[in-house]
Amino acid sequence: DQQVKQNSPSLSVQEGRISILNCDYTNSMFDYFLWYKKYPAEGPTFLISISSIKDKNEDGRFTVFLNKSAKHLSLHIVPSQPGDSAVYFCALSPLGNEKLTFGTGTRLTIIP
Amino acid sequence: DAGVIQSPRHEVTEMGQEVTLRCKPISGHNSLFWYRQTMMRGLELLIYFNNNVPIDDSGMPEDRFSAKMPNASFSTLKIQPSEPRDSAVYFCASSFTVRGTHEQYFGPGTRLTVT
Repeated sequence: DQQVKQNSPSLSVQEGRISILNCDYTNSMFDYFLWYKKYPAEGPTFLISISSIKDKNEDGRFTVFLNKSAKHLSLHIVPSQPGDSAVYFCALSPLGNEKLTFGTGTRLTIIP
Repeated sequence: DAGVIQSPRHEVTEMGQEVTLRCKPISGHNSLFWYRQTMMRGLELLIYFNNNVPIDDSGMPEDRFSAKMPNASFSTLKIQPSEPRDSAVYFCASSFTVRGTHEQYFGPGTRLTVT
């Protein structure tokens, strides 16, 4: 029973356009939401996070949106750059708990 | 600043052998996590420690797996005996537990192949 789903295994976006990655979850106990980026042969790298008391957090080209009622999380990257090509994971943790449950990942390819 | 350090980066062993994976967390971090990544199951948490104490080992697949954290700067994940289905990439991550934040910082991983 997968609690966290990233329904798009892959996504291709033209350089300079917006990339939108999505993540859906089923457990309403999740309280803190993170995005990680992973390059081949490296560990995941923390990108941006948001707590359940907010619906938007922005850091440079990266913005995370949280829709609690829909149990939906998204990451927007604008403008997309070739270096953004990687696998992106959403990761969620419940209130008062450090455990992260990861999504299945979306492979983003930026086309020059 | 050194990140999370894992060794070895690659390990190839025969079924039945003991395997020990090592991790040095980021200095000052007080939580340490062991993950396994496979094609079938994705990235899954095996065990985590807080202040060197195991907090949750519910993800450890079976008794063949054990983890220790003898001090704040070192942890091991041991598989004995190893089996081909243990082949995966094993990641160690660390974090500094601050109320309301859960960012974990990952090492480069150890790619384990059991033949």
